[in-house]
Amino acid sequence: GAGVSQSPRYKVAKRGQDVALRCDPISGHVSLFWYQQALGQGPEFLTYFQNEAQLDKSGLPSDRFFAERPEGSVSTLKIQRTQQEDSAVYLCASSLALAGAPVKTQYFGPGTRLLVL
Amino acid sequence: AQSVSQHNHHVILSEAASLELGCNYSYGGTVNLFWYVQYPGQHLQLLLKYFSGDPLVKGIKGFEAEFIKSKFSFNLRKPSVQWSDTAEYFCAVNRDNNNDMRFGAGTRLTVKP
Repeated sequence: GAGVSQSPRYKVAKRGQDVALRCDPISGHVSLFWYQQALGQGPEFLTYFQNEAQLDKSGLPSDRFFAERPEGSVSTLKIQRTQQEDSAVYLCASSLALAGAPVKTQYFGPGTRLLVL
Repeated sequence: AQSVSQHNHHVILSEAASLELGCNYSYGGTVNLFWYVQYPGQHLQLLLKYFSGDPLVKGIKGFEAEFIKSKFSFNLRKPSVQWSDTAEYFCAVNRDNNNDMRFGAGTRLTVKP
C-alpha cells in the first residue's frame, strides 16, 4: 500500500519568505509526527497530532513554526519569516497507535529538504 | 539531559566483515527501542524494534539487536555485511506512553566491495 508522502520534496526560499510543507500520512493512521533533521544529525521531534488534535508541540523551535491537521488526515507544517537556520530536512511520520498504546512504530515519509538563502 | 548516543559517526568495513553499531540511551523507565536505516536517496525505514520479551531482536536483512537493560544499550549487529548495507543507521528510543521519539545522531556505514 501507499506509504507516507510529502510535498514538495525540495524547497528553496528566500530569507523572510513563508513556506508550507505538506504531509499525507498512511491511510487510517491516527498519529502524525513532524521532525526536523539538520545536516549530519538525527531527526528531532517537532510536534504530534492524534487525529486533528495537536497534543504535543513542545519541539517547535519558535512561534514562527505552526502545524495543523484540520481533518485528521493531511497535515501542513508552516514556517513564517524563514531564517537560514531553518534549513533542514523536514520529516513526517505516521503511526497507527493511539497515545498510550504500547506499540508505536512510526513510518516515515521521504522528507522535504528546505534551503533558506 | 536525556539523550540517545551512537558512538560511531562513520564506520568503514569490507564485505563479509562483522558489524556492531553501538547505541546507548539515558532514559529511565520503560522504553521502546528502534533501529532505522536510510539508504542513499531513500527515506527512513524500520530495521527492527524492541518493545518487550526476548531482548535479542531479529530484523530484516539479517540484522539483529540486543537490548541490555543494565547497560541502557541496544546495539545493532550483523555477522556479515554486504555492499548493499551501505547506509545511515539511526537508533531511536520512545519512552512508553510518550509521544515523541528521540533519535541518535546516526552512524554512516560504508561497505567496500
